[in-house]
Amino acid sequence: GDSVTQMEGPVTLSEEAFLTINCTYTATGYPSLFWYVQYPGEGLQLLLKATKADDKGSNKGFEATYRKETTSFHLEKGSVQVSDSAVYFCALREPNNDMRFGAGTRLTVKP
Amino acid sequence: EAQVTQNPRYLITVTGKKLTVTCSQNMNHEYMSWYRQDPGLGLRQIYYSMNVEVTDKGDVPEGYKVSRKEKRNFPLILESPSPNQTSLYFCASRTGQINTGELFFGEGSRLTVL
Repeated sequence: GDSVTQMEGPVTLSEEAFLTINCTYTATGYPSLFWYVQYPGEGLQLLLKATKADDKGSNKGFEATYRKETTSFHLEKGSVQVSDSAVYFCALREPNNDMRFGAGTRLTVKP
Repeated sequence: EAQVTQNPRYLITVTGKKLTVTCSQNMNHEYMSWYRQDPGLGLRQIYYSMNVEVTDKGDVPEGYKVSRKEKRNFPLILESPSPNQTSLYFCASRTGQINTGELFFGEGSRLTVL
């Protein structure tokens, strides 16, 4: 079946550092891809998405590009802030419309 | 305000004592789902419902029951909880339209079974 693999965390960065969280997927066809973010004590919320190959999703300074050739959807941000500390989940939407989530990557940004 | 509301947020119980975690959404969404979140495993789907009176098993349904008698409510029932059901639970909802992706999540219910 479809699956999502994320880089293992935790990731600890200093403020203003560059962030990359790797995500690759296995799927039949071309699923829509998502990044969700979970701030401490809260539920997940959609950060960005891309629905077809070469699409770039972006929000709050985060970006991810749907790469069909490498089956990847890596999350990037040029300059992280302390407020970006959270758990980040990569996900894909399966043909039956259900979501398949990665294991999550915990990011801690230190001042 | 559009939201998914879960209760209780925190619960400590003992093995075998039946409990229910409620979930309610105010967005008129057709689709609702329950997930559990465990370290290193991400979110795994327990049960989902495409609409009223329609429920189906997810990846880890054992030990759980659900019902969908009304569109807005989707309670999760643990008839006889066991320690391996200690976890963080999330309810989520979305519209029933095909190819609409965004799931709206509740704030989570942390359950400990002793």
